[in-house]
Amino acid sequence: EDKVVQSPLSLVVHEGDTVTLNCSYEVTNFRSLLWYKQEKKAPTFLFMLTSSGIEKKSGRLSSILDKKELFSILNITATQTGDSAIYLCAVDAFNSGGSNYKLTFGKGTLLTVNP
Amino acid sequence: DAGVIQSPRHEVTEMGQEVTLRCKPISGHNSLFWYRQTMMRGLELLIYFNNNVPIDDSGMPEDRFSAKMPNASFSTLKIQPSEPRDSAVYFCASSKGEWQGFPEQYFGPGTRLTVT
Repeated sequence: EDKVVQSPLSLVVHEGDTVTLNCSYEVTNFRSLLWYKQEKKAPTFLFMLTSSGIEKKSGRLSSILDKKELFSILNITATQTGDSAIYLCAVDAFNSGGSNYKLTFGKGTLLTVNP
Repeated sequence: DAGVIQSPRHEVTEMGQEVTLRCKPISGHNSLFWYRQTMMRGLELLIYFNNNVPIDDSGMPEDRFSAKMPNASFSTLKIQPSEPRDSAVYFCASSKGEWQGFPEQYFGPGTRLTVT
């Protein structure tokens, strides 16, 4: 069974700190890894990663994938209180035995940024 | 753009009752996804459609759950009969592009279902 594990489960930091969120996975037929941010309501898409070693960047957020070691990290620099949210990692993999793809989410990391 | 629209936003029902959740995807999007989120299990993909056709329903927990997409602008997720363990937030999401894979998805606000 495909597995996605995020760490830490929760994290409390002060504004201005830099944080690193981790996502490791065990899937067969990997296709891509996705990061989402979930505040009070629905998840919003951050990044999709398909190739190892290529950093995706959006403002203070960046992410990179290591397909050999089967993990990804999400970095947030100069954190702000608005970064407080649950960060979800998901892995898209070919559904062996069929012709479909399957998306598996991790449990998320709850980030709290205090002023 | 109105985004993905879900109704109702909150639903409280008694065990054994039928529940129908509704979703209107973003216009022009050809893939639609139903998710369930609980504290215990996190976010789970239940079923997804491409061009109104169900592609994979392996995430549907049991026969009490069914989903339909009669046209490109409407989908329903039905639970019959409902049970307390079905209590969760149900999200609908849509995306455009190839059905093979999960490109950027836009989530609706969710329906919080409570079954007593």
